[in-house]
Amino acid sequence: GAVVSQHPSWVICKSGTSVKIECRSLDFQATTMFWYRQFPKQSLMLMATSNEGSKATYEQGVEKDKFLINHASLTLSTLTVTSAHPEDSSFYICSARQVLGPLHFGNGTRLTVT
Amino acid sequence: GDSVTQMEGPVTLSEEAFLTINCTYTATGYPSLFWYVQYPGEGLQLLLKATKADDKGSNKGFEATYRKETTSFHLEKGSVQVSDSAVYFCALSGETSGSRLTFGEGTQLTVNP
Repeated sequence: GAVVSQHPSWVICKSGTSVKIECRSLDFQATTMFWYRQFPKQSLMLMATSNEGSKATYEQGVEKDKFLINHASLTLSTLTVTSAHPEDSSFYICSARQVLGPLHFGNGTRLTVT
Repeated sequence: GDSVTQMEGPVTLSEEAFLTINCTYTATGYPSLFWYVQYPGEGLQLLLKATKADDKGSNKGFEATYRKETTSFHLEKGSVQVSDSAVYFCALSGETSGSRLTFGEGTQLTVNP
């Protein structure tokens, strides 16, 4: 079945550095991917909608310059957390949708900023 | 705007017990409703869904009925297993929101043998 792969599954970085998270649709093309953030024991909050070949659409309150999204191909979207700080530590999850099909979620990336 | 409210967890049950996790929503029009499950260390998996009023979604022994009159989509299972231990999320997709989902807070379920 359709699979969404996220990489890395976990990452630890120092404050002030940038971290890139990849989201790939493995056996289908996804013109739209979604990036969510999940705080411990809380729900998933949609951060942005990633559109292939165009700019991402960010939700209110999400800093565009902080969370850079690039959707360069129909199977890959990347989220870069720039100049990360401890408050950016969280679980980031992407999802992608097949055309006329269901949403598929990646396994998530645990980011810890020290 | 759209919102989803789930019963607070965590929920701890013994194997073969009956499970109910309440979910209510606020949305305009006729949203689609979903239950997702997240096993430890994994991403979300769609458990079941319903796209119109009075529809019943079911999968793996879990059921939920779309109740427009009470704006609810409660998750039930007659006999839980240890392997059902996970976090369960209720979610909705509004009529105009496409694939964008609004999630509830999640309910941690632990089933003891």
